[in-house]
Amino acid sequence: DTEVTQTPKHLVMGMTNKKSLKCEQHMGHRAMYWYKQKAKKPPELMFVYSYEKLSINESVPSRFSPECPNSSLLNLHLHALQPEDSALYLCASSQEVRAEQFFGPGTRLTVL
Amino acid sequence: AQTVTQSQPEMSVQEAETVTLSCTYDTSESDYYLFWYKQPPSRQMILVIRQEAYKQQNATENRFSVNFQKAAKSFSLKISDSQLGDAAMYFCAYSYLYNNAGNMLTFGGGTRLMVKP
Repeated sequence: DTEVTQTPKHLVMGMTNKKSLKCEQHMGHRAMYWYKQKAKKPPELMFVYSYEKLSINESVPSRFSPECPNSSLLNLHLHALQPEDSALYLCASSQEVRAEQFFGPGTRLTVL
Repeated sequence: AQTVTQSQPEMSVQEAETVTLSCTYDTSESDYYLFWYKQPPSRQMILVIRQEAYKQQNATENRFSVNFQKAAKSFSLKISDSQLGDAAMYFCAYSYLYNNAGNMLTFGGGTRLMVKP
């Protein structure tokens, strides 16, 4: 299995809702990443998990809460989001000693 | 800080012809990787090609090849025999190991490639 899966593909939520994005990989990778991508812009790194521990948080607002329940799974919990948080959220994984990151198809989030 | 610059916001190429996308980067590191990723309208980021900085030989992957000039900090992508399916946004990316915490990817601004039939 050489892919990263993400669910849901699309999500529409209100500013008072709580929702979660899910990412899964079965490649044995020990590092997993969350990116945010606005239209016509490159992805921006949000969080990095290494060996299931949060290792990098790129000054992301607390309304985004990552979680890594096990080495294959990565969640992003969303609460009290703002309309400007509407974007494509990409998950990726990599082996530490190799540099390629493999991306999932993304979740397109719309905050009303 | 590492920066990646793609100076061509848009490029177009005739089907079956060759096109070169430019990328320059700035770093003080000696050990790093460079990548080209492709993002078609479906928005899935697809790895096209990778280059290790310590390798002098330019990477090739079927119709895709790079011209890696380490001293000039230049990393261009050549697409030969362009196909309609090559139409996408192409991102150049620089990668380095950050505090043993994971590979940090810094992306360029992207080049939108259009392929004309």
